Amino acid sequence: GAVVSQHPSRVICKSGTSVKIECRSLDFQATTMFWYRQFPKQSLMLMATSNEGSKATYEQGVEKDKFLINHASLTLSTLTVTSAHPEDSSFYICSARKLPETDTQYFGPGTRLTVL
Amino acid sequence: AQSVTQPDIHITVSEGASLELRCNYSYGATPYLFWYVQSPGQGLQLLLKYFSGDTLVQGIKGFEAEFKRSQSSFNLRKPSVHWSDAAEYFCAVGALFGNEKLTFGTGTRLTIIP
Repeated sequence: GAVVSQHPSRVICKSGTSVKIECRSLDFQATTMFWYRQFPKQSLMLMATSNEGSKATYEQGVEKDKFLINHASLTLSTLTVTSAHPEDSSFYICSARKLPETDTQYFGPGTRLTVL
Repeated sequence: AQSVTQPDIHITVSEGASLELRCNYSYGATPYLFWYVQSPGQGLQLLLKYFSGDTLVQGIKGFEAEFKRSQSSFNLRKPSVHWSDAAEYFCAVGALFGNEKLTFGTGTRLTIIP
């Protein structure tokens, strides 16, 4: 299998607080994980690529100090939204590549973030 | 830069009817193409993928897709849709090597009517 989980599935927080989202590959090791953001009725936008043991690579326009990514192990990557504001409300989805099929990304179920 | 176009934002099909979802891509080299399906509030599930070889690819849930290099297309088909197929469908293009990013189309929402 190739199962990716995310926790929490849904979170509501107050403006100015920080929120951590976890992405785990449950039955495989993932040296690379990806974080996407999806606005309502829109496609997925890649935010950053997370490599185990190294710094994440952010896409143009994504604030790395606001969206902190840590990939501390081969099965876990975390995305922390710091000092969240209402405009950060979105659906965040992670994916992971399963070795040796480095060509395919397996997606988590997503996390719905609402910032009040 | 690579790009994916899904011309149809929303398609409605009767249950039991055939389905074709269109996808056109732009890519400088040999593309790696994917179709994903997303149910409301859920993540993406891989339906099928094409890397090389036979241009007609079989996937899960009875879906298939055909790669046509001359038309830069990778259309998704199903002979007979079921009500459970109602979802959002995304076509994506990527690379095995290099930056290894996936670029997604804007998606096609499929509605099934009885």
